[in-house]
Amino acid sequence: AQKVTQAQTEISVVEKEDVTLDCVYETRDTTYYLFWYKQPPSGELVFLIRRNSFDEQNEISGRYSWNFQKSTSSFNFTITASQVVDSAVYFCALSGGSNYKLTFGKGTLLTVNP
Amino acid sequence: DTGVSQDPRHKITKRGQNVTFRCDPISEHNRLYWYRQTLGQGPEFLTYFQNEAQLEKSRLLSDRFSAERPKGSFSTLEIQRTEQGDSAMYLCASSFDTYSYEQYFGPGTRLTVT
Repeated sequence: AQKVTQAQTEISVVEKEDVTLDCVYETRDTTYYLFWYKQPPSGELVFLIRRNSFDEQNEISGRYSWNFQKSTSSFNFTITASQVVDSAVYFCALSGGSNYKLTFGKGTLLTVNP
Repeated sequence: DTGVSQDPRHKITKRGQNVTFRCDPISEHNRLYWYRQTLGQGPEFLTYFQNEAQLEKSRLLSDRFSAERPKGSFSTLEIQRTEQGDSAMYLCASSFDTYSYEQYFGPGTRLTVT
């Protein structure tokens, strides 16, 4: 069975602070994929990133960066110099093996205050 | 290029009534997924299609739920004899034909059963 745990239910920061969202996953598949999605107040899930289990290179995209560590089964997401527009619920998700479905964590509500 | 669209965006119905939701995927995508999201939770997988074939159904999908994807294009999700516990956001997503590709989500249909 696959499982994704996002231990941080809510995080509140002040604009320009850096913030890291944690994601820990469980899977028995040797090949799997990890994702992050953003769900702003409007409700639509927005795809942010996909990582393969065999590629542990960290990735940076503008103010966003992702740290994938297989040794600790973690796929953490850092926003540098946060902005009010970053306020949203962020979901970590997992798919793998013969399962095409995404298994989501419960999400982390990020509030960035001006 | 248009994204995934869903109709209606909101539906209020009385307990016991039947409801039907529609999803139009991104045109190049041959995989289509349905998820359900309740308040404070991540989306939960319901079912998915590859072209017109329904390949997997979750245990969450009781006998009152049925989904179709005629001709491998749009999909419908029908709930018969709605119950208050069916109140949720119903999300549709689509992707290319491989589990490594990210799923793109529509805006969802929010169902309220009174």
